[in-house]
Amino acid sequence: GDSVTQMEGPVTLSEEAFLTINCTYTATGYPSLFWYVQYPGEGLQLLLKATKADDKGSNKGFEATYRKETTSFHLEKGSVQVSDSAVYFCALDGGYQKVTFGTGTKLQVIP
Amino acid sequence: GAVVSQHPSRVICKSGTSVKIECRSLDFQATTMFWYRQFPKQSLMLMATSNEGSKATYEQGVEKDKFLINHASLTLSTLTVTSAHPEDSSFYICSAGEGTGVGETQYFGPGTRLLVL
Repeated sequence: GDSVTQMEGPVTLSEEAFLTINCTYTATGYPSLFWYVQYPGEGLQLLLKATKADDKGSNKGFEATYRKETTSFHLEKGSVQVSDSAVYFCALDGGYQKVTFGTGTKLQVIP
Repeated sequence: GAVVSQHPSRVICKSGTSVKIECRSLDFQATTMFWYRQFPKQSLMLMATSNEGSKATYEQGVEKDKFLINHASLTLSTLTVTSAHPEDSSFYICSAGEGTGVGETQYFGPGTRLLVL
């Protein structure tokens, strides 16, 4: 079945540091890929998505590129802020809108 | 983007009672909604797919008699935790999509935190 593997956290960075959160996936067919963000005590918010190979999703300074050859969808941001502190989930939709999530990576940005 | 709401946001109940959680799509119609459960510091686990006008489809290991799902209209799905026990304490999140195609964005509700004493 479908699966998503993302790096374990927590990840602690200083403000303005470069962020990478790795995500790889296993799926049959051609899934759509997503990054969701969950702030403390809240539900999930869609951060960005990509629906086909080589697509780049971007939002709020975050980017991720759909790499079919490496089955990856790594999340990057050039300069993190304290307000980016949250849990980030990589996810895929293999069809019929059934989303499979990774385990989440907690990001903590310190001033 | 589309908005999905949940009610209540937080509920505390006694063991043995039933709790109903509502999920609403506020500005779009959703023929399918999804219910997830999230344990502390863990990922979301899909519990069931709620289909408007028909029975829900449950994931393996989820007791359908314990987690009753009703999708009475295109904008409302309810999850009832029957005879709740402390081990049912969790964060329950619903989601819905505007369309049915692959890659359609799922919009998530803010979640309901259930604590069973």
